[in-house]
Amino acid sequence: GDSVTQMEGPVTLSEEAFLTINCTYTATGYPSLFWYVQYPGEGLQLLLKATKADDKGSNKGFEATYRKETTSFHLEKGSVQVSDSAVYFCALSGYSGAGSYQLTFGKGTKLSVIP
Amino acid sequence: NAGVTQTPKFRVLKTGQSMTLLCAQDMNHEYMYWYRQDPGMGLRLIHYSVGEGTTAKGEVPDGYNVSRLKKQNFLLGLESAAPSQTSVYFCASTRTVNQPQHFGDGTRLSIL
Repeated sequence: GDSVTQMEGPVTLSEEAFLTINCTYTATGYPSLFWYVQYPGEGLQLLLKATKADDKGSNKGFEATYRKETTSFHLEKGSVQVSDSAVYFCALSGYSGAGSYQLTFGKGTKLSVIP
Repeated sequence: NAGVTQTPKFRVLKTGQSMTLLCAQDMNHEYMYWYRQDPGMGLRLIHYSVGEGTTAKGEVPDGYNVSRLKKQNFLLGLESAAPSQTSVYFCASTRTVNQPQHFGDGTRLSIL
């Protein structure tokens, strides 16, 4: 079945540092890929997405490129802020039969940014 | 625009009690999902629905039942709660297949 593996945290960075959170996947077919962010006490929010190979998703300074050859979708940001402190989830959308697609999530990476 | 609303936000149950979690969405989405989130486990799919009157099992369906009598509502039931069901439960919805899901703020459930 489909699976997502992302780097384990927690990750602690100083403000303005460069961020990379690795994500690799296993899936049949051509899944869509997503990064979601979860702030404390809240639900998940879509951060960015990519629907086909070589697509780059971007939002709020975060970027991720759909690399089919390496089955990866690494999240990057050039200069993190304290407000970026959250848990980040990589996910893929794969066909589960009966006309439905399901999201498969990684286990999440907690990011803490210190001033 | 409320989006996805979950009730209640918190609940404490005793082992063996039953309860129903309600998820309501006002975006006219066809697809709705129930997940549980546990530390170090990410989100795992419990049940889902591809339209009014339909339900299907996800990755971890045992001990839960669901119903989708109205398009905007998706109910998750625990018939006989067990401590292993202590978790944070999230509902999500989406308009079409393979599109991003919209999440509620979660229900924190503790079973003693």
